[in-house]
Amino acid sequence: QVQLVESGGGVVQPGRSLRLSCAASGFIFNIYAMHWVRQAPGRGLEWVAVISYDGDNKYYPDSVKGRFTISRDNSKNTLYLQMNSLRPEDTAVYYCARGLSGGYNSPFDYWGQGTLVTVSS
Amino acid sequence: EIVLTQSPGTLSLSPGERATLSCRASQSVSSSYVAWYQQKRGQAPRLLIYGASSRATGIPDRFSGSGSVTDFTLTISRLEPEDFAVYYCQQYGNSPMYTFGQGTKLEIK
Repeated sequence: QVQLVESGGGVVQPGRSLRLSCAASGFIFNIYAMHWVRQAPGRGLEWVAVISYDGDNKYYPDSVKGRFTISRDNSKNTLYLQMNSLRPEDTAVYYCARGLSGGYNSPFDYWGQGTLVTVSS
Repeated sequence: EIVLTQSPGTLSLSPGERATLSCRASQSVSSSYVAWYQQKRGQAPRLLIYGASSRATGIPDRFSGSGSVTDFTLTISRLEPEDFAVYYCQQYGNSPMYTFGQGTKLEIK
């Protein structure tokens, strides 16, 4: 069965960095686009990043562009999110999610359980 | 950026009743690339509907989606106790930029 397991969350000071990981299993990882989505405490969902199946193309919303970097290692079936220059407003549960089909025009059909990132001094 | 506005913010109904949730887009969503998700407290979202009206794998047929262009609806025909949760719409037609609505909380009356 499809499984996505995030790790790497924790408490970090403003301006510092953190790297999240998402271990994938139960499907052919290297044919799917993958996403990160976050949810601030008590708030709604915000899409954070997408990476193409081969890692060649990456896209971000303006809120994280230039600070966050999505990457993947298809040999390890793992997705990453490098977060730099963290701000208190980046505090959220971060989910990795799979695109339903291989391309970008897909909803997110499987989600991990999430990892909490708290940015606070 | 396509902004999605969901209404109502909170919907109070009883088990067995019919629920109608609305999602309005600030501009046309190409190819009706709208999805609906259910999120229960402490859990990850679950995909219910995609392509505005197609049910995801394993989703009961009491859930249905409809709509096009800028107006989309999620209908739950007869509410079960496990259906009380928060529901989000999402557009993925403006990809690779994706947006979610702010959510509708469906609570027990």
